Amino acid sequence: DVKVTQSSRYLVKRTGEKVFLECVQDMDHENMFWYRQDPGLGLRLIYFSYDVKMKEKGDIPEGYSVSREKKERFSLILESASTNQTSMYLCASSPTREKLFFGSGTQLSVL
Amino acid sequence: DQQVKQNSPSLSVQEGRISILNCDYTNSMFDYFLWYKKYPAEGPTFLISISSIKDKNEDGRFTVFLNKSAKHLSLHIVPSQPGDSAVYFCAASTTRGNEKLTFGTGTRLTIIP
Repeated sequence: DVKVTQSSRYLVKRTGEKVFLECVQDMDHENMFWYRQDPGLGLRLIYFSYDVKMKEKGDIPEGYSVSREKKERFSLILESASTNQTSMYLCASSPTREKLFFGSGTQLSVL
Repeated sequence: DQQVKQNSPSLSVQEGRISILNCDYTNSMFDYFLWYKKYPAEGPTFLISISSIKDKNEDGRFTVFLNKSAKHLSLHIVPSQPGDSAVYFCAASTTRGNEKLTFGTGTRLTIIP
């Protein structure tokens, strides 16, 4: 079974802090994605990556950056956390760009 | 601009009956559609997909119907079981294998025993 592991299940940070969300997949997938899930808004794509050191902006990249130094690891960075970034963050990987395998998510609260 | 819409935030269905979840899209370039299912405290999992060259795809109790002229798809679950209680997201992409997914807002399905 494909396993996508997100480093934290719950995270509480202060406004202005730099936040790192880590994601690791064990199936050698080329493609990795970061989404956020908010009530009434569904899943919205923040950033995605088709290969190591490659990244592309999704629909809501503002306030975020990403890093993919190794194929199995895709990190989401909040440079200066704000309260409107309180959300459920979901990482996914995929051998194609459609059938995504998701991690369990990180519930981030920014106070 | 919500290109993929699920207008029913919630749906309750009696166990054993049919559940019908609906999804509308506005982008006529979408040509591949998927349904994902999400339980609390878990990530979404892929359920079923359909290409725009088909109007129906079936997998066990799950069937997805696509009406391209109406830009509408639906997921039918027959018979509904308590384990089907979850949030269901539809998603669409423009070119199969080449583009990112756009997700809908989700429908929470509750199966009543």
